[in-house]
Amino acid sequence: DAKTTQPPSMDCAEGRAANLPCNHSTISGNEYVYWYRQIHSQGPQYIIHGLKNNETNEMASLIITEDRKSSTLILPHATLRDTAVYYCIVRVGVRWGAQKLVFGQGTRLTINP
Amino acid sequence: EAQVTQNPRYLITVTGKKLTVTCSQNMNHEYMSWYRQDPGLGLRQIYYSMNVEVTDKGDVPEGYKVSRKEKRNFPLILESPSPNQTSLYFCASRLLDTDTQYFGPGTRLTVL
Repeated sequence: DAKTTQPPSMDCAEGRAANLPCNHSTISGNEYVYWYRQIHSQGPQYIIHGLKNNETNEMASLIITEDRKSSTLILPHATLRDTAVYYCIVRVGVRWGAQKLVFGQGTRLTINP
Repeated sequence: EAQVTQNPRYLITVTGKKLTVTCSQNMNHEYMSWYRQDPGLGLRQIYYSMNVEVTDKGDVPEGYKVSRKEKRNFPLILESPSPNQTSLYFCASRLLDTDTQYFGPGTRLTVL
């Protein structure tokens, strides 16, 4: 799986959009970008994933650059409950496989009132 | 409500005293997995199971056992716990043909 690079920490004001970057310059054509988050000591929570098109769901939007070497997770209206560690993971789609998620160090996002 | 449950949530025990951490999911997921999380080391997979009676080692299986007698349950067994197994443990599950894993709330284990 391709390596990802994320800033160790970020701050964002409550109510503003939080934009979390992720670099994955060695991503290959069949690898997806996944985002999970972990609120303090809770189990990680799936947020969103994508291959090359931008994706949006009820939690967030995922913007993937055209060359797919980087992506941005956008939380459109951050709340205090969005304070968490956010993990960007790149991997081949599982499809009947035994593949595991490999979590790096992630970005610690703090939402400030 | 679709969920993964773990019990106990907190456990303090002593070296050598066998213990079991239970994990149960109500989503009919084939795949279940155990992770441990330690500061600076991230989440590491201990064991996984792709279906009933099918289990395999992850990255850090030493000192652990698992069983998968029923689809919904995947207990983690520590036959003789040691202090280096003090950690935060997570159980996770997913359907085999999807990538979205659902994690349990975690079990914080301290071995004295």
